[in-house]
Amino acid sequence: KAGVTQTPRYLIKTRGQQVTLSCSPISGHRSVSWYQQTPGQGLQFLFEYFSETQRNKGNFPGRFSGRQFSNSRSEMNVSTLELGDSALYLCASSPRGFRVDTQYFGPGTRLTVL
Amino acid sequence: ELKVEQNPLFLSMQEGKNYTIYCNYSTTSDRLYWYRQDPGKSLESLFVLLSNGAVKQEGRLMASLDTKARLSTLHITAAVHDLSATYFCAVDTQGGSEKLVFGKGTKLTVNP
Repeated sequence: KAGVTQTPRYLIKTRGQQVTLSCSPISGHRSVSWYQQTPGQGLQFLFEYFSETQRNKGNFPGRFSGRQFSNSRSEMNVSTLELGDSALYLCASSPRGFRVDTQYFGPGTRLTVL
Repeated sequence: ELKVEQNPLFLSMQEGKNYTIYCNYSTTSDRLYWYRQDPGKSLESLFVLLSNGAVKQEGRLMASLDTKARLSTLHITAAVHDLSATYFCAVDTQGGSEKLVFGKGTKLTVNP
């Protein structure tokens, strides 16, 4: 079974731009969660989508948004980028959600904001 | 605001020894998760603990949850070099605004 894939793997943007990251879950998994990892703030939960609906959301500003498609693929969008948005963005998939099932993580997208 | 504290943050141990990583949290929750991250790599989910008294074991790692004490432990038995990694716990706030709050991680180095 193919694992979780994330594209692109690396991205460089400038302040004020917007960015879209993509996550393809393991086949059959309906839940996709997104996380941000930075040296300063550590690991933080962004949101979880399940069957095209946002089911849980962390404490991030509205500049961070996401969506999930009918094939369970998910995208995350960050608008008006700030230097502090530079981070490793991880997505994870599971059959029913992080609250009950083991999650499988993708390799991450490293975003650098200049 | 939920606080999750892991200790120690750095742990250097010899192969064959046992040790425990602690994860304390500041609010009521009965769900806690453990993850592993190798240097420069993504996360790997280790354990999902869903109730008070839950105990899960996989190989040389055993995790437990005491919701009354707001404490989870990750016990390492007879450590081997392959266990060198950073281990994170995360607490599910359930009704809280942050939903899932991570500890800062424990960097474990197992020396021959």
